[in-house]
Amino acid sequence: QAVLTQPSSLSASPGASASLTCTLRSGINVGTYRIYWYQQKPGSPPQHLLKYKSDSDKQQGSGVPSRFSGSKDASANAGILLISGLQSEDEADYYCMIWHSSAAVFGGGTKLTVL
Amino acid sequence: EVLLVESGGALVQPGGSLRLSCAASGFAFSNYWMNWARQAPGKGLEWVANIYQDGSEKNYLDSVKGRFIISRDNAKNSLDLQMNSLRVEDTAVYYCASTNTLDNWGQGTLVTVSS
Repeated sequence: QAVLTQPSSLSASPGASASLTCTLRSGINVGTYRIYWYQQKPGSPPQHLLKYKSDSDKQQGSGVPSRFSGSKDASANAGILLISGLQSEDEADYYCMIWHSSAAVFGGGTKLTVL
Repeated sequence: EVLLVESGGALVQPGGSLRLSCAASGFAFSNYWMNWARQAPGKGLEWVANIYQDGSEKNYLDSVKGRFIISRDNAKNSLDLQMNSLRVEDTAVYYCASTNTLDNWGQGTLVTVSS
């Protein structure tokens, strides 16, 4: 079982909100990890969006709009990236990441389609 | 402005070696962890290795341990990745990324391992 699992795709309408999940493998408690989120558009390197551990321990990436926010669902053992007020420019691949046993581990990525 | 510029990517035969470099500018390079990550064609992100500020600690992806060596020269603001015993599955765009947050990424350099 992968350390981090993300749905492969998600579709949402312009102006709506999209909730992207990043589920941690059983036995790895989301509460103890800082979750990092990245956006990647075709032909470009990833861009760091934000990091979230708790409401008191979070940080937005440089220049990242506030409509991108992070949270956790402890009952689902998952990190969440919420994008509100979706715009066509938000169409991209989104990756979550954690540091686990001194190694960075990425989820498989979610392709977000805005249509 | 933070700038990371990778170089050294090439076509190499299986079993061959290659050395990648990353030139950094616009931030206090010697104060931060640095990383290499990669992305195989059409696939997701994969972290490869990181190195502490003074080079005293290095961590590697299991599949590259014993084959890849990460190093840095703080006097030259440069990061290297020596890749030996290359395999077809090492084919990817290789990125350098700064800090534990991986908050800035270069444009990447393509490594193709093929006979």
